[in-house]
Amino acid sequence: NAGVMQNPRHLVRRRGQEARLRCSPMKGHSHVYWYRQLPEEGLKFMVYLQKENIIDESGMPKERFSAEFPKEGPSILRIQQVVRGDSAAYFCASSPPGTETQYFGPGTRLLVL
Amino acid sequence: GIQVEQSPPDLILQEGANSTLRCNFSDSVNNLQWFHQNPWGQLINLFYIPSGTKQNGRLSATTVATERYSLLYISSSQTTDSGVYFCAVGGRAAGNKLTFGGGTRVLVKP
Repeated sequence: NAGVMQNPRHLVRRRGQEARLRCSPMKGHSHVYWYRQLPEEGLKFMVYLQKENIIDESGMPKERFSAEFPKEGPSILRIQQVVRGDSAAYFCASSPPGTETQYFGPGTRLLVL
Repeated sequence: GIQVEQSPPDLILQEGANSTLRCNFSDSVNNLQWFHQNPWGQLINLFYIPSGTKQNGRLSATTVATERYSLLYISSSQTTDSGVYFCAVGGRAAGNKLTFGGGTRVLVKP
Protein backbone atom coordinates (compact mmCIF):
# COMPACT_ATOMS: atom_id res chain seq x y z
CA ASN A 1 0.00 0.00 0.00
CA ALA A 2 1.72 3.15 -1.19
CA GLY A 3 1.90 6.04 1.21
CA VAL A 4 0.55 9.53 0.69
CA MET A 5 2.02 10.92 -2.52
CA GLN A 6 2.67 14.56 -3.25
CA ASN A 7 3.96 16.20 -6.36
CA PRO A 8 5.91 18.05 -7.28
CA ARG A 9 8.39 17.63 -4.45
CA HIS A 10 9.97 20.99 -5.26
CA LEU A 11 8.37 23.91 -7.05
CA VAL A 12 9.89 27.24 -8.00
CA ARG A 13 7.65 30.10 -9.04
CA ARG A 14 8.14 33.80 -9.73
CA ARG A 15 6.01 36.35 -7.94
CA GLY A 16 2.58 36.61 -9.53
CA GLN A 17 2.53 33.08 -10.97
CA GLU A 18 0.22 30.29 -9.90
CA ALA A 19 1.27 27.22 -7.91
CA ARG A 20 -0.63 23.91 -8.03
CA LEU A 21 0.23 21.27 -5.48
CA ARG A 22 -1.14 17.73 -5.78
CA CYS A 23 -1.83 15.12 -3.16
CA SER A 24 -2.90 11.52 -3.67
CA PRO A 25 -4.08 9.99 -0.39
CA MET A 26 -3.38 6.44 0.68
CA LYS A 27 -5.66 3.83 -0.83
CA GLY A 28 -8.95 3.68 1.06
CA HIS A 29 -8.45 7.09 2.68
CA SER A 30 -11.23 9.55 1.95
CA HIS A 31 -10.07 12.37 4.24
CA VAL A 32 -7.36 14.80 3.15
CA TYR A 33 -5.69 17.58 5.14
CA TRP A 34 -3.27 20.30 4.07
CA TYR A 35 -0.73 21.86 6.42
CA ARG A 36 1.89 24.55 5.85
CA GLN A 37 5.30 24.76 7.46
CA LEU A 38 7.00 28.14 7.23
CA PRO A 39 10.80 28.18 7.63
CA GLU A 40 11.91 27.31 11.17
CA GLU A 41 8.31 26.93 12.35
CA GLY A 42 5.91 24.15 13.20
CA LEU A 43 3.13 22.97 10.95
CA LYS A 44 -0.13 24.90 10.73
CA PHE A 45 -3.45 23.44 9.62
CA MET A 46 -4.92 24.90 6.44
CA VAL A 47 -7.88 22.84 5.23
CA TYR A 48 -9.67 19.52 5.68
CA LEU A 49 -11.51 17.94 2.77
CA GLN A 50 -13.51 14.86 1.99
CA LYS A 51 -14.43 13.80 -1.52
CA GLU A 52 -16.09 16.81 -3.22
CA ASN A 53 -16.53 18.62 0.10
CA ILE A 54 -14.57 21.18 2.09
CA ILE A 55 -15.17 20.30 5.74
CA ASP A 56 -12.99 22.87 7.51
CA GLU A 57 -11.05 25.69 5.86
CA SER A 58 -10.47 27.74 8.99
CA GLY A 59 -6.70 27.80 8.41
CA MET A 60 -6.76 28.93 4.80
CA PRO A 61 -5.71 32.49 3.99
CA LYS A 62 -8.75 34.45 2.84
CA GLU A 63 -7.37 35.33 -0.56
CA ARG A 64 -5.45 33.56 -3.33
CA PHE A 65 -5.62 30.08 -1.75
CA SER A 66 -8.11 27.37 -2.69
CA ALA A 67 -8.34 23.61 -2.31
CA GLU A 68 -10.36 20.84 -3.84
CA PHE A 69 -10.68 17.07 -3.61
CA PRO A 70 -12.68 15.92 -6.63
CA LYS A 71 -14.55 12.65 -6.96
CA GLU A 72 -11.75 11.36 -9.19
CA GLY A 73 -8.11 12.30 -9.00
CA PRO A 74 -5.84 13.93 -6.45
CA SER A 75 -6.52 16.77 -4.07
CA ILE A 76 -5.21 20.10 -5.36
CA LEU A 77 -4.00 23.08 -3.35
CA ARG A 78 -3.92 26.12 -5.59
CA ILE A 79 -2.15 29.37 -4.81
CA GLN A 80 -2.79 32.24 -7.20
CA GLN A 81 -0.47 35.22 -7.68
CA VAL A 82 2.18 33.84 -5.35
CA VAL A 83 4.22 36.16 -3.15
CA ARG A 84 7.56 35.55 -1.42
CA GLY A 85 5.77 34.91 1.89
CA ASP A 86 4.14 31.83 0.37
CA SER A 87 7.53 30.10 0.31
CA ALA A 88 7.10 27.14 2.62
CA ALA A 89 6.75 23.38 2.80
CA TYR A 90 3.21 22.22 2.15
CA PHE A 91 2.28 18.85 3.60
CA CYS A 92 -0.72 16.74 2.79
CA ALA A 93 -2.06 14.08 5.16
CA SER A 94 -4.80 11.50 4.78
CA SER A 95 -6.83 9.30 7.07
CA PRO A 96 -9.38 6.56 6.52
CA PRO A 97 -12.99 7.15 7.61
CA GLY A 98 -13.66 6.45 11.26
CA THR A 99 -10.10 6.96 12.55
CA GLU A 100 -8.12 9.98 13.68
CA THR A 101 -4.58 8.91 12.74
CA GLN A 102 -3.21 11.11 9.97
CA TYR A 103 -0.48 9.89 7.63
CA PHE A 104 1.70 12.55 6.07
CA GLY A 105 3.18 12.80 2.61
CA PRO A 106 6.74 13.94 1.87
CA GLY A 107 5.69 17.54 1.29
CA THR A 108 6.08 20.03 -1.55
CA ARG A 109 8.68 22.71 -1.03
CA LEU A 110 7.57 25.92 -2.72
CA LEU A 111 10.09 28.65 -3.39
CA VAL A 112 8.86 31.98 -4.69
CA LEU A 113 11.52 34.12 -6.33
CA GLY B 1 -8.20 26.65 20.17
CA ILE B 2 -5.97 24.08 21.78
CA GLN B 3 -2.51 25.26 22.84
CA VAL B 4 0.39 22.81 22.56
CA GLU B 5 3.74 23.41 24.21
CA GLN B 6 6.80 21.22 23.83
CA SER B 7 9.90 21.16 25.96
CA PRO B 8 12.79 21.46 25.80
CA PRO B 9 13.05 23.44 22.55
CA ASP B 10 16.55 22.10 21.91
CA LEU B 11 18.39 19.01 23.08
CA ILE B 12 21.96 17.92 22.46
CA LEU B 13 22.75 14.32 23.30
CA GLN B 14 25.79 12.11 23.22
CA GLU B 15 25.21 8.91 21.29
CA GLY B 16 23.91 6.25 23.65
CA ALA B 17 22.20 8.66 26.04
CA ASN B 18 18.54 8.53 27.01
CA SER B 19 16.15 11.48 26.89
CA THR B 20 12.57 12.54 27.58
CA LEU B 21 10.60 15.02 25.51
CA ARG B 22 7.44 16.57 26.89
CA CYS B 23 4.23 17.82 25.31
CA ASN B 24 1.64 19.80 27.31
CA PHE B 25 -1.78 20.61 25.88
CA SER B 26 -4.50 22.90 27.10
CA ASP B 27 -7.70 20.91 26.54
CA SER B 28 -9.01 17.36 26.34
CA VAL B 29 -8.00 15.58 23.15
CA ASN B 30 -9.13 12.58 21.15
CA ASN B 31 -6.03 12.47 18.99
CA LEU B 32 -2.37 12.81 19.88
CA GLN B 33 0.43 11.91 17.52
CA TRP B 34 4.21 12.13 17.76
CA PHE B 35 6.26 12.76 14.62
CA HIS B 36 9.93 12.85 13.74
CA GLN B 37 10.96 15.30 11.04
CA ASN B 38 14.28 14.13 9.73
CA PRO B 39 17.00 16.45 8.36
CA TRP B 40 15.56 15.96 4.85
CA GLY B 41 12.22 17.37 5.97
CA GLN B 42 10.20 14.15 5.91
CA LEU B 43 7.57 13.73 8.63
CA ILE B 44 7.55 10.25 10.06
CA ASN B 45 4.71 8.93 12.17
CA LEU B 46 6.03 7.63 15.47
CA PHE B 47 2.96 7.08 17.62
CA TYR B 48 -0.78 7.60 17.69
CA ILE B 49 -1.31 7.81 21.45
CA PRO B 50 -4.30 9.79 22.81
CA SER B 51 -3.88 7.86 26.08
CA GLY B 52 -1.81 5.07 27.57
CA THR B 53 1.66 3.82 26.78
CA LYS B 54 3.19 2.39 23.62
CA GLN B 55 6.64 1.18 22.70
CA ASN B 56 8.37 0.76 19.37
CA GLY B 57 11.98 -0.33 19.56
CA ARG B 58 14.06 2.30 21.34
CA LEU B 59 11.15 4.74 21.42
CA SER B 60 8.22 4.76 23.78
CA ALA B 61 5.47 7.24 24.58
CA THR B 62 3.06 7.82 27.42
CA THR B 63 0.04 10.09 27.42
CA VAL B 64 -1.75 11.02 30.64
CA ALA B 65 -4.89 12.53 29.18
CA THR B 66 -6.39 13.56 32.53
CA GLU B 67 -3.31 15.66 33.26
CA ARG B 68 -2.95 16.87 29.68
CA TYR B 69 0.58 15.85 28.85
CA SER B 70 2.48 13.31 26.83
CA LEU B 71 6.08 12.12 27.05
CA LEU B 72 8.31 10.66 24.36
CA TYR B 73 11.27 8.60 25.55
CA ILE B 74 14.31 7.97 23.41
CA SER B 75 16.66 5.33 24.75
CA SER B 76 20.21 4.57 23.61
CA SER B 77 20.07 7.47 21.15
CA GLN B 78 21.72 7.18 17.75
CA THR B 79 22.84 9.87 15.31
CA THR B 80 19.91 8.93 13.08
CA ASP B 81 17.58 10.13 15.85
CA SER B 82 18.61 13.70 15.07
CA GLY B 83 15.89 15.99 13.77
CA VAL B 84 12.82 17.73 15.13
CA TYR B 85 10.19 15.91 17.16
CA PHE B 86 6.66 17.26 16.96
CA CYS B 87 3.67 16.54 19.10
CA ALA B 88 0.29 17.20 17.47
CA VAL B 89 -3.13 17.04 19.08
CA GLY B 90 -6.73 17.08 17.94
CA GLY B 91 -9.78 17.70 20.07
CA ARG B 92 -13.46 17.04 19.52
CA ALA B 93 -14.19 20.76 19.34
CA ALA B 94 -11.47 21.14 16.71
CA GLY B 95 -12.90 18.53 14.40
CA ASN B 96 -10.21 16.44 12.75
CA LYS B 97 -7.48 19.05 12.42
CA LEU B 98 -4.19 18.66 14.25
CA THR B 99 -2.56 21.46 16.21
CA PHE B 100 1.21 21.11 16.30
CA GLY B 101 3.58 22.11 19.05
CA GLY B 102 6.69 24.08 18.28
CA GLY B 103 8.85 20.96 18.28
CA THR B 104 11.98 19.80 20.07
CA ARG B 105 15.14 19.98 17.97
CA VAL B 106 17.38 17.02 18.82
CA LEU B 107 21.02 16.68 17.86
CA VAL B 108 22.75 13.40 18.67
CA LYS B 109 26.53 13.65 18.55
CA PRO B 110 28.72 10.62 17.79
